[in-house]
Amino acid sequence: QSALTQPASVSGSPGQSITISCSGTRSDIGGYNYVSWYQQHPGKVPKLIIYDVSDRPSGVSNRFSGSKSGNTASLTISGLQAEDEADYYCSSFINRNVLFGGGTKVTVL
Amino acid sequence: QVKLQESGPGLMKPSETLSLTCDVSAYSITSGYFWGWIRQPPGKGLEWIANIYHSGSTYYSPSLQSRVTISLDTSKNQFSLSLTSVTAADTAVYYCARVGVRGVVDSWGQGTLVTVSS
Repeated sequence: QSALTQPASVSGSPGQSITISCSGTRSDIGGYNYVSWYQQHPGKVPKLIIYDVSDRPSGVSNRFSGSKSGNTASLTISGLQAEDEADYYCSSFINRNVLFGGGTKVTVL
Repeated sequence: QVKLQESGPGLMKPSETLSLTCDVSAYSITSGYFWGWIRQPPGKGLEWIANIYHSGSTYYSPSLQSRVTISLDTSKNQFSLSLTSVTAADTAVYYCARVGVRGVVDSWGQGTLVTVSS
């Protein structure tokens, strides 16, 4: 199984919206709604921000939203803020194996 | 609130066997969930290593399965990882984690840095 494909970097200005894509196959992302997203600030532990494609854990800002179309999942950050500058990872779950994307560095200009 | 804490050797030499333990508190590892290990080489992305179900069933990354063993110690509410024949490429921060039945990693340990160097 190959890693999920994410863009290496995405940037945006404060207040803008950005979208991070996560491409997989019909066997992983396309086959199940088992897509999660994690935010990781430098030197910190990853934090779950989206699960089951589009659900948010309690306490996560509603500026984060997830969606899926075919074999590609997406994370949208609305109203971009300086604190959103971090690395973001998508993941899928197939055959009880966790599959991560390569990560996307979000820069707030 | 479940809490996970890794313990490990810190520094190792090539060809040695890495042993890591994850102490779990505020939740019994036999009550449910998968329990897993994830690593992150310096400056790189996350890599899943292995999961073990609360029942003891094990699942391994295809790229590492020949060198990895994951196990539960229910008497101590811990789970462990063994990685044989380490090389510099195994240098990473190793996280233990709680993984839901849909692959959601909802709790992470703080991570422990393992450096492999001669």
